[in-house]
Amino acid sequence: EAGVTQFPSHSVIEKGQTVTLRCDPISGHDNLYWYRRVMGKEIKFLLHFVKESKQDESGMPNNRFLAERTGGTYSTLKVQPAELEDSGVYFCASSQGGYEKLFFGSGTQLSVL
Amino acid sequence: GENVEQHPSTLSVQEGDSAVIKCTYSDSASNYFPWYKQELGKGPQLIIDIRSNVGEKKDQRIAVTLNKTAKHFSLHITETQPEDSAVYFCAASIGGSSASKIIFGSGTRLSIRP
Repeated sequence: EAGVTQFPSHSVIEKGQTVTLRCDPISGHDNLYWYRRVMGKEIKFLLHFVKESKQDESGMPNNRFLAERTGGTYSTLKVQPAELEDSGVYFCASSQGGYEKLFFGSGTQLSVL
Repeated sequence: GENVEQHPSTLSVQEGDSAVIKCTYSDSASNYFPWYKQELGKGPQLIIDIRSNVGEKKDQRIAVTLNKTAKHFSLHITETQPEDSAVYFCAASIGGSSASKIIFGSGTRLSIRP
């Protein structure tokens, strides 16, 4: 069984540019989460999808971040325009049963210069 | 807001010795406490979890204890091995019966000395 896949693994962009991160969850997992870890700090919650619906987006930093989940399958997280403080590792996780037993992808390391 | 504090941030132990990582949580309604292990180049992986109606849970060399009164929980790794070297994260559910997410601590980098 394929795990959670994230693309790209690394992205280096300049301030003001746009970046789109993609996550392919495990097939059949209705729950999809986005988290972010800034160096040395906690893995911080961004948002939660159940199928194609946003269940909780209370962790999204501001309106420069836009997440979508097309047809309840893969998800994208777009940052536009990117700022220096957006740098970090963005993780996607999926599960069958809500917040329990999350399966994480390897993350996207985003560097904004 | 709700948070999870984790200590220590780094931990180095001799191979074969035990390692203990401690966390505290702020939401008294938290009822699910997982631990994740992140190896280099990989995403976090669930290694053990515990619910609030249980005080202790063991799985081979790994054990987790929970003190609901003090809002503390800990990860214990016995007979440490080189492959235990990784970053460990504790987490807690928030929002009680309507919880839909977990929040994480800041991580502990565990190094096992040969």
